[in-house]
This record gives sequence, structure tokens and C-alpha cells, in this order.
Amino acid sequence: EAGVAQSPRYKIIEKRQSVAFWCNPISGHATLYWYQQILGQGPKLLIQFQNNGVVDDSQLPKDRFSAERLKGVDSTLKIQPAKLEDSAVYLCASSPLNRASSYEQYFGPGTRLTVT
Amino acid sequence: RKEVEQDPGPFNVPEGATVAFNCTYSNSASQSFFWYRQDCRKEPKLLMSVYSSGNEDGRFTAQLNRASQYISLLIRDSKLSDSATYLCVVNRGATNKLIFGTGTLLAVQP
Repeated sequence: EAGVAQSPRYKIIEKRQSVAFWCNPISGHATLYWYQQILGQGPKLLIQFQNNGVVDDSQLPKDRFSAERLKGVDSTLKIQPAKLEDSAVYLCASSPLNRASSYEQYFGPGTRLTVT
Repeated sequence: RKEVEQDPGPFNVPEGATVAFNCTYSNSASQSFFWYRQDCRKEPKLLMSVYSSGNEDGRFTAQLNRASQYISLLIRDSKLSDSATYLCVVNRGATNKLIFGTGTLLAVQP
């Protein structure tokens, strides 16, 4: 079974520029998550989708971050404009729905963003 | 106060040692609990779920104390390949939202 795919793997931008990340979850997984992991910390949930609807975006900085999952499959996360403190690894994860294993989240390899 | 607290370590132990990690959580409504493992510059992966009755998977034993809001992970006979960051994770409820601790770094020395 193919895992969660993310691109790009690395990105370096200057502050105030824009950046977008892409995620393709495991086939058939209804729930998709975007996390931000700052160095030395655990992942922090930014937004959770179930199919193409938002379940939780309480920790998404909506003045600069946006995310969409228009067809309920792949998703994009955008930052506009970027700040130095956005330097982090952005992890995408997915999980199935209504199964005993639904609590396990499968993570992609992440996108490492450096803002200079 | 963070919702999930862990000792960040690092824990430096020799091969063959037994090491224990502890974690506390503050939200009494938390419903399920996990340990995830994260290798350097890699994504987190589920190591094991944690149940009130305690559960074991080979050299790994996890324990949950709901009254004290305390979770533990015990690793016996440590291997070099166990070197990683161990993340204590709490599932807050019906939306499957995971709250991660900062992680505990384990370095097993030859």
C-alpha cells in the first residue's frame, strides 16, 4: 500500500514570500491532517479535513495560512506571506474513517520549510 | 501548562539497559493514548497504543493510569536501533484529534 505522499520535500524562501505544499493521502482515507513541527517540539495540528469538509482549524493562523481539499482527496497548504517563525517541518497525515483502526494516523515524510 | 508533558531527555543508556519514559496529560476527557516513535529527520510512526490494563509488545510495555493522568513506556534490553524520539500522544475525542508531547530523545550507546 502506498503511503502518504508530500511535495516538495524541502523549500527555502525569504520572509514575506508565498509557499504551497501538496499532500496525497493513502487511498481511501477520508480524514486528512496538516501538522506543523517546529524543531525540538512535537507536531501541532493546524487543520483537519474529513472528506472535503473542515473538522478543526482552531490552531490555523488564518491571517496567513490557508488549506483546501476540494475533491476530498489531495490537499494543499499555503502560507502567504511567510514569517521567520514559520520555519518548520509541515507534516501531512491521513486516517481511515469508521474503523477500529481509525485512530492511527499515517504520516507523510514532511516538507522542511526554511524562511530566511 | 502544556496539555501533554514529557521529559525531553536526552536519555543516554548502554545497550541492554532498561529505560522508562513518563508522560502526564492535563485533559481528563482524553479518550485514548499512544506512543509514537520518530527517527531523526523522519515522520512519526505509531509504536503502540496504551490501555488501562497495560499492554506489552516484545520488549516494549506501555501503561496508563487514568486517575493520575499518567502514561509510561518501558523498553527492556535496549538496542542501538531503539535510538529515536518517543512521542507521548493523547487523543482528545470524537474528532480523532491527536495532541503530541514534545518527545523524549533516547540515545542507546554501544
